[in-house]
Order: sequence, then C-alpha cells, then structure tokens
Amino acid sequence: EAQVTQNPRYLITVTGKKLTVTCSQNMNHEYMSWYRQDPGLGLRQIYYSMNVEVTDKGDVPEGYKVSRKEKRNFPLILESPSPNQTSLYFCASSTPTGGLDEQYFGPGTRLTVT
Amino acid sequence: AQSVTQLGSHVSVSEGALVLLRCNYSSSVPPYLFWYVQYPNQGLQLLLKYTSAATLVKGINGFEAEFKKSETSFHLTKPSAHMSDAAEYFCAVSDGGSQGNLIFGKGTKLSVKP
Repeated sequence: EAQVTQNPRYLITVTGKKLTVTCSQNMNHEYMSWYRQDPGLGLRQIYYSMNVEVTDKGDVPEGYKVSRKEKRNFPLILESPSPNQTSLYFCASSTPTGGLDEQYFGPGTRLTVT
Repeated sequence: AQSVTQLGSHVSVSEGALVLLRCNYSSSVPPYLFWYVQYPNQGLQLLLKYTSAATLVKGINGFEAEFKKSETSFHLTKPSAHMSDAAEYFCAVSDGGSQGNLIFGKGTKLSVKP
C-alpha cells in the first residue's frame, strides 16, 4: 500500500530537549516536504527536498532542521524545541513534475512542547 | 508570489443542501489549483486538481470545482451534502515551477447538520 508514515504520532516534550520526527514514504517519490498546521493559519511549509541531499527552506524554517540521506526518509529535527513549536506536523511526498501531481500526506504528528 | 484566500473559516449546511466553499487565488503565472480534505485526526487527501485542462474539474465523493480566470476563483461545490462530508477543506495553489511547492489557504471547516 502506497503510504507516508510518520513517527511518533503524538509527542509531549519539554523546552530544549532535542527531538526527531521521522517520515518515510514507499512510493519512490523524489519530492518530500514538512508542514506545520496551526488553527486559523492553515498549513505552512517548513522545509522541502527535491531529492537526496537536496533540501531548501520553506516559509517557516526557523528552529527546524532536516536531512535527506535516503530517498525514502526525510526526518524533521528540532534541536531545541520551544513552546511556539507546539503544533500538528505533516510530512508529504510527490513526484516533482512541475507542481502537477498531488502530494501524499502522512497521518500527522501532534507535538506539545511545555 | 502565489497566495490563496478561503472565504469563511466555518460553513454549516443541512444534509442534502448545496455545499459551496470559496477559494480565490493570486498568481503571476498560470496556476495549478488543488482542493484537499482533512477528516478528523487524519492527514490531507486530494479531492481534485486543476492543471489547465478543463475548467470544470470533477473530484472524488461528488465534489467539483470550476476555475474562473476572470474572477481568480476556484470554488468547491457539491450538490447535496452528506454527513460524511463534515471535514476541513483546504484550497492550495502551486506555481507550477520545478519545485512544485504548494501554498495553502487557511482552511474552511464544513459542518453538516442532520
């Protein structure tokens, strides 16, 4: 089954404690992206990756890091989480055909930083 | 730069009534437009997309949207609402460039009353 998986689905942590949210897709997609969803703000892009070892900032990259060492995986790293990073995070993937293709979304990771 | 405006953060309809969710876009290039749906506690799922072919686009679950360049609109409609349509709906635009990044609207939450 074609899917994007994220782990963990729920996470409560404390300010400053480094964490990683994993994202994996089994569709051999080149393009992967991270979004955060906040009430009243919709989805905002954090980082995206066009292919292995190619990453770029989205609209709200501050406080986040990513890496793309393998095509299927695109982890999101919070080196020193802060309460304003409490949010619902989605990973997505697609083929990079000039924006024509749909993005496939993971189930989301709800992060709370206290 | 591309942007999307969704009019109405909450829309409530009765079961069997017409569903109309509004989306206006701003784009300096011919846009690619998408509607995604998010059911409670789930990721986003593509409803339909416009990629410069037919201006009336039919999607899943009986939804359709019409691209109107003169009005810069891409409103989502369904003739008869069903209880299962209750969800949050997001309009998105892609610049169609090599990145294919999506810009999302803030979302419209649809409630369906029995």
